[in-house]
Amino acid sequence: DAGVIQSPRHEVTEMGQEVTLRCKPISGHDYLFWYRQTMMRGLELLIYFNNNVPIDDSGMPEDRFSAKMPNASFSTLKIQPSEPRDSAVYFCASSLRGSNQPQHFGDGTRLSIL
Amino acid sequence: GENVEQHPSTLSVQEGDSAVIKCTYSDSASNYFPWYKQELGKGSQLIIDIRSNVGEKKDQRIAVTLNKTAKHFSLHITETQPEDSAVYFCAAPPQSNAGKSTFGDGTTLTVKP
Repeated sequence: DAGVIQSPRHEVTEMGQEVTLRCKPISGHDYLFWYRQTMMRGLELLIYFNNNVPIDDSGMPEDRFSAKMPNASFSTLKIQPSEPRDSAVYFCASSLRGSNQPQHFGDGTRLSIL
Repeated sequence: GENVEQHPSTLSVQEGDSAVIKCTYSDSASNYFPWYKQELGKGSQLIIDIRSNVGEKKDQRIAVTLNKTAKHFSLHITETQPEDSAVYFCAAPPQSNAGKSTFGDGTTLTVKP
């Protein structure tokens, strides 16, 4: 079975540009998570969805970040405008029935903002 | 919210030795404790998990022990091999928020041949 699929794998762009990260969760999973990983802060939960509805976005750093899940098989994380401090690896994960079940991670998007 | 502390942050062992990583958590209502392995350039993968109704679970060379009274759980890897070298994360989801797992800061394990 296909796992969680993220695209692009790498993104390099100049500050001020809009960045869109994409995620396809595992079919049938009802929870989707977006994380950011840096050396300084470790793995941080940005937002999670249940049945395509955002449940907790308290980890989203600021208004420049937004996330959507228009259907059960697709989600996006958008940064506009991007800043150098947004450079990190962004992971998407999905699970069945919430965090009391294993989360399945994609291989991440390595984002570099110049 | 849930607070998870993971120790040590780095661990270096000789091939064939055992490795132990420990996590403590704060929410006494937490009842699910997974361990993830992250290899370079990849996302984390679940390697073992335990629920609060048992104290120990084993899967070949990997085991997890749970002490609910002391609120800590540990990952044990025996007969380590170079391919065990990775970053390991524990997690403890709080019961008050169904989706929100708190992850430890990770342990970088290096197994020297």
